[in-house]
Amino acid sequence: DTAVSQTPKYLVTQMGNDKSIKCEQNLGHDTMYWYKQDSKKFLKIMFSYNNKELIINETVPNRFSPKSPDKAHLNLHINSLELGDSAVYFCASSQEWSSGRSDTQYFGPGTRLTVL
Amino acid sequence: QKEVEQNSGPLSVPEGAIASLNCTYSDRGSQSFFWYRQYSGKSPELIMSIYSNGDKEDGRFTAQLNKASQYVSLLIRDSQPSDSATYLCAVNFFSGGYNKLIFGAGTRLAVHP
Repeated sequence: DTAVSQTPKYLVTQMGNDKSIKCEQNLGHDTMYWYKQDSKKFLKIMFSYNNKELIINETVPNRFSPKSPDKAHLNLHINSLELGDSAVYFCASSQEWSSGRSDTQYFGPGTRLTVL
Repeated sequence: QKEVEQNSGPLSVPEGAIASLNCTYSDRGSQSFFWYRQYSGKSPELIMSIYSNGDKEDGRFTAQLNKASQYVSLLIRDSQPSDSATYLCAVNFFSGGYNKLIFGAGTRLAVHP
């Protein structure tokens, strides 16, 4: 009965490869997010989807392509992986409040990506 | 540039003491504020949310918000070694009709027996 789940938990790959991370939430939330946490533990938003529609794209290189097949799933595909992509990637979900107040975001367990 | 600032620490407190964690933010219009706890190798988990000026208490945790000073804090009473973690302050910025959560760099708390 995990609320937000991600697969895989660990991903080790060579530079130049293409990889995907999957995320699913069973909380019934409308909005899902991808965050990147670098080696200094700084957590930064990358993308946000609301009801399958992209609403936030934080000037992430276009090698990163999110896809939301339905509002319970948000996947992240990364092309031509680079050393600097090594980080922990967290998926999160929340209810979207459009009034300017936001609901709590719930995080998945994270995917530790290591690019060699 | 929307910013959330925290002291990186480590903040070291003895067991049983009060730990005080502070956070400032740049956007006067922010309305939602969150404290997350993150253990090493784990995902952030919500400790407290606060939306109105003043104090909000939940067990050993008290969040304090002062919108005029653009300041939010977290007090942990009777600190335990299990409270040792990184505490992330997160502030909501509303732009273009959508919410975006900006996180501070986190304060590492070490509670020693």
